[in-house]
Amino acid sequence: SAVISQKPSRDICQRGTSLTIQCQVDSQVTMMFWYRQQPGQSLTLIATANQGSEATYESGFVIDKFPISRPNLTFSTLTVSNMSPEDSSIYLCSVDKPGQGAYEQYFGPGTRLTVT
Amino acid sequence: GENVEQHPSTLSVQEGDSAVIKCTYSDSASNYFPWYKQELGKRPQLIIDIRSNVGEKKDQRIAVTLNKTAKHFSLHITETQPEDSAVYFCAATPMGGYSTLTFGKGTMLLVSP
Repeated sequence: SAVISQKPSRDICQRGTSLTIQCQVDSQVTMMFWYRQQPGQSLTLIATANQGSEATYESGFVIDKFPISRPNLTFSTLTVSNMSPEDSSIYLCSVDKPGQGAYEQYFGPGTRLTVT
Repeated sequence: GENVEQHPSTLSVQEGDSAVIKCTYSDSASNYFPWYKQELGKRPQLIIDIRSNVGEKKDQRIAVTLNKTAKHFSLHITETQPEDSAVYFCAATPMGGYSTLTFGKGTMLLVSP
């Protein structure tokens, strides 16, 4: 598996501001992912972050709103920009780690964001 | 892209009963199917997975079955316990390596003592 940490664990922010979420993993990984989980809902992939290249965004998510950095193989950040109440959600990072014959995905503890 | 349907959305059972959660997927290229358990306020945890070269996999009280022809897979929990109460998510990906997962909408399982 993997030991993954996120900072902050939660935050309350005012609309129009930005928040940067950090994700740290205990070993080098090639792929890191960022998800959003709205209350009572499933997980929606925002983007895939590969070290040394631009993040790949899913439909409905854009770089200007959710800029991502991936400076090395153990760390990534997701910024939620110009926030509105609709951005209130849990944001989770995840990583792929080698499992039994293929890669398995493990999640960080999440960042609970409330926008007022 | 891939679409994963999951049923039921909620499931209530008595302790000791079995529980079955079913998922269907749309992309015939999908070949990796993990299941996650998410307790309230916690992160999703990988509990079992299956790859398309296998029809069934067991791990103690949980098992997963896969029918590639029908494009559906199921999670089976036997002898349920109150601590099994959680939301369970199925997922699928067409990539055997790095997994861009598509998740089902989740099933809330409640096990009553």
